[in-house]
Amino acid sequence: GENVEQHPSTLSVQEGDSAVIKCTYSDSASNYFPWYKQELGKRPQLIIDIRSNVGEKKDQRIAVTLNKTAKHFSLHITETQPEDSAVYFCAASWGYGQNFVFGPGTRLSVLP
Amino acid sequence: GAVVSQHPSWVICKSGTSVKIECRSLDFQATTMFWYRQFPKQSLMLMATSNEGSKATYEQGVEKDKFLINHASLTLSTLTVTSAHPEDSSFYICSARKSQAYEQYFGPGTRLTVT
Repeated sequence: GENVEQHPSTLSVQEGDSAVIKCTYSDSASNYFPWYKQELGKRPQLIIDIRSNVGEKKDQRIAVTLNKTAKHFSLHITETQPEDSAVYFCAASWGYGQNFVFGPGTRLSVLP
Repeated sequence: GAVVSQHPSWVICKSGTSVKIECRSLDFQATTMFWYRQFPKQSLMLMATSNEGSKATYEQGVEKDKFLINHASLTLSTLTVTSAHPEDSSFYICSARKSQAYEQYFGPGTRLTVT
């Protein structure tokens, strides 16, 4: 089955700096890769996603890149703000309606 | 659109009793709903996948007789934790998916504490 690894497990950056979180997946059939942000005690919120037919997607300060050959994808957050502090999860799925396999999460702290 | 609610948001029950958690898609029809369990500082672990009108598919290691899942309509799925024990204490989160879509929309979660 699919296995998703995520690094780093914790990340601290200064406000205004960039943050990068990387995930690798094992199943080459996976074709959908969402990123979720979860604040303590709250639901995961989708922040960006990418499908396997594109290599990069950007939404304001957030971008995701995908390397299908190497089977890894990354989340990039620029101009970080204290409210970006949360746990970020990547996930992989191989089709409509299929379940997600989540990475173990990255705790991001943005220091003022 | 794509709002998912869960009820209750938190519950405390005694060991040996059963607890039912509801998951509703408020503004769309959810052909598939997923139930996850999340322990403190850990990732979301899928427990089961349920399709409307069908039996749920449980992940390996999840006891189907202990975690009863019902998906009776396109907007409601329920998870019943039977004969709860303290080790069942966790954050239970559901998600719902529209037909022919990749995205999953998560409910706010239910914190279960078994004493």
